[in-house]
Amino acid sequence: AQSVTQLDSQVPVFEEAPVELRCNYSSSVSVYLFWYVQYPNQGLQLLLKYLSGSTLVKGINGFEAEFNKSQTSFHLRKPSVHISDTAEYFCAVSDDNYGQNFVFGPGTRLSVLP
Amino acid sequence: SQTIHQWPATLVQPVGSPLSLECTVEGTSNPNLYWYRQAAGRGLQLLFYSVGIGQISSEVPQNLSASRPQDRQFILSSKKLLLSDSGFYLCAWSTGSYEQYFGPGTRLTVT
Repeated sequence: AQSVTQLDSQVPVFEEAPVELRCNYSSSVSVYLFWYVQYPNQGLQLLLKYLSGSTLVKGINGFEAEFNKSQTSFHLRKPSVHISDTAEYFCAVSDDNYGQNFVFGPGTRLSVLP
Repeated sequence: SQTIHQWPATLVQPVGSPLSLECTVEGTSNPNLYWYRQAAGRGLQLLFYSVGIGQISSEVPQNLSASRPQDRQFILSSKKLLLSDSGFYLCAWSTGSYEQYFGPGTRLTVT
């Protein structure tokens, strides 16, 4: 069975500083990887996804993530954060192309401080 | 383009009362549909998913149930709410494009 680990439950960072949110997965098969963002009292919005090809994927709002198969990681990065990036971030893994078998990580709360 | 609706947006219900939350999807056909719950400060818990009309799979035993009376309609119900049913309920859909798409959610408070 797949599992997703997000080691940091909370990440405080000052505005305009870089940030990295960590995600590790456990799977013995090929996987598809996703990052979602959730703003307070809203649904989840897809930030970016890795399906195949280039291991560096770029998403919305200036975020990017790098797939590392040997380390089974998919860390999310942004070079300079804004106050508006304060939100909950979820990493997810799937092993099918129909959107089933999704497994979400527990989430990381990013707080951007002025 | 595809759109997913959930209502109501917020709901306050007493313990022991019934529950009905509705989710509808527009702009796609035969989607997979999902109900998730988020308890306060916690991650996503998959409650039910459906691959077609009348086909419901339950992931967690509880006093909740789900139904799919139409292709793009997914309903979450309970006959008697518990305090532990409080949370943020999210509906999602997927097709052959790998990812899931989420609705705006319903905030349920059981008092």
